Amino acid sequence: AQSVAQPEDQVNVAEGNPLTVKCTYSVSGNPYLFWYVQYPNRGLQFLLKYITGDNLVKGSYGFEAEFNKSQTSFHLKKPSALVSDSALYFCAVRDGRRDDKIIFGKGTRLHILP
Amino acid sequence: DAGVIQSPRHEVTEMGQEVTLRCKPISGHNSLFWYRQTMMRGLELLIYFNNNVPIDDSGMPEDRFSAKMPNASFSTLKIQPSEPRDSAVYFCASSFTGLGNQPQHFGDGTRLSIL
Repeated sequence: AQSVAQPEDQVNVAEGNPLTVKCTYSVSGNPYLFWYVQYPNRGLQFLLKYITGDNLVKGSYGFEAEFNKSQTSFHLKKPSALVSDSALYFCAVRDGRRDDKIIFGKGTRLHILP
Repeated sequence: DAGVIQSPRHEVTEMGQEVTLRCKPISGHNSLFWYRQTMMRGLELLIYFNNNVPIDDSGMPEDRFSAKMPNASFSTLKIQPSEPRDSAVYFCASSFTGLGNQPQHFGDGTRLSIL
């Protein structure tokens, strides 16, 4: 069965510092991996995805994520955090052999401190 | 392009009443998902449709919940009778499946409060 884990409920980072939000996954086939962001009173918004190819994936708002097959991880990163990056972040995985539902992590709340 | 449209945005009703949530997916998308989000349980998949057919409803809490997708441009989630524990934010999402690599697009949700 496929699953995804976000080990941190909350991450605090000072503005201007680099940030990392962690995600690990488990699938039987090839993983399709996604990151979403949720701002208050809004739905989830797609940030980036990894399907195949380069392990470093670039997405919206200056975010990027690094796929690591040996560690089954897909951590979200940004070189310099902005206060406006404060939000709830979800990692998600789909088993590449199955063309159906995505499994979401429980979310990590990111606080960027001014 | 218009995104996923949900209505109403807010619903407050008394316990025992019927509640109907509505969703219009993005045109051309062939999969539709209903989620529920609460502080305690996070984001839960309730049911999803592919080409208007329900594929997996294992997340539907109980028989009080039902969902329909009569055509490619409209879906409803109904709760009858409603209970206070149904209070949550309900999201609809759509995607184009068939390639396996397309993200889901979410509406802004319906915030449901059952008194």
